[in-house]
Amino acid sequence: QSVLTQPPSVSGAPGQRVSISCSGSYSNIGAGYDVHWYQHVPGTAPRLLIFGDNKRPSGVPDRFSGSKSGASASLAITGLQAEDEAVYYCQSYDSSLSKLFGTGTEVTVL
Amino acid sequence: QVQLQESGPGLEKPSETLSLTCTVSGGSITSYFWSWIRQVPGKGLEWIGYSYYTGTTNYNPSLKSRVTISVDTSKNQFSLKVNSVTAADTALYYCARDLPWAHYFDSWGQGTRVTVSS
Repeated sequence: QSVLTQPPSVSGAPGQRVSISCSGSYSNIGAGYDVHWYQHVPGTAPRLLIFGDNKRPSGVPDRFSGSKSGASASLAITGLQAEDEAVYYCQSYDSSLSKLFGTGTEVTVL
Repeated sequence: QVQLQESGPGLEKPSETLSLTCTVSGGSITSYFWSWIRQVPGKGLEWIGYSYYTGTTNYNPSLKSRVTISVDTSKNQFSLKVNSVTAADTALYYCARDLPWAHYFDSWGQGTRVTVSS
């Protein structure tokens, strides 16, 4: 099955900017399907952060932004805060008619 | 604000059928797709499949032969059945609201843990 690949972890000091990559292939992100991002604090429900590559649902701070180029996408967090510590997942659709999640990236605030 | 709550047995024996229910409150169950997603311990998220109230379904090819998802509009609930479970089906199971044709999940339940063990 196709996989969306993310770095296992990223870290940054409070106030800094971090970026998380999401690498797909010609059958998913590269085919033009939208990329979406979720924030997951273990023990709680995952939260939609970004949909449609770069749109934020109501209530999501503008510190979170998404972008896409070719078969890859990125999530950027600016002004990093302690409350941003979580696991972040990208998600897209694949030509195999399946919805795919990324491998997940743990964000640590130093 | 829609809310989703999973329920079901936390323990299943190998080879039996896992059955979970998701109760939807604060919104109509007929306007969206409804998905199940799981997280195997130590792993990432895996989409299992979705159902629409009309009976339309779509399943992850890797699980398709063992999975059934259905919607009960009279109870505002949808359910998941996984046949012939093994230890590999031990996971945290989430239900989620799935935006039709937009392919993302805008509301999730808290998750329910299922262990497969004899």
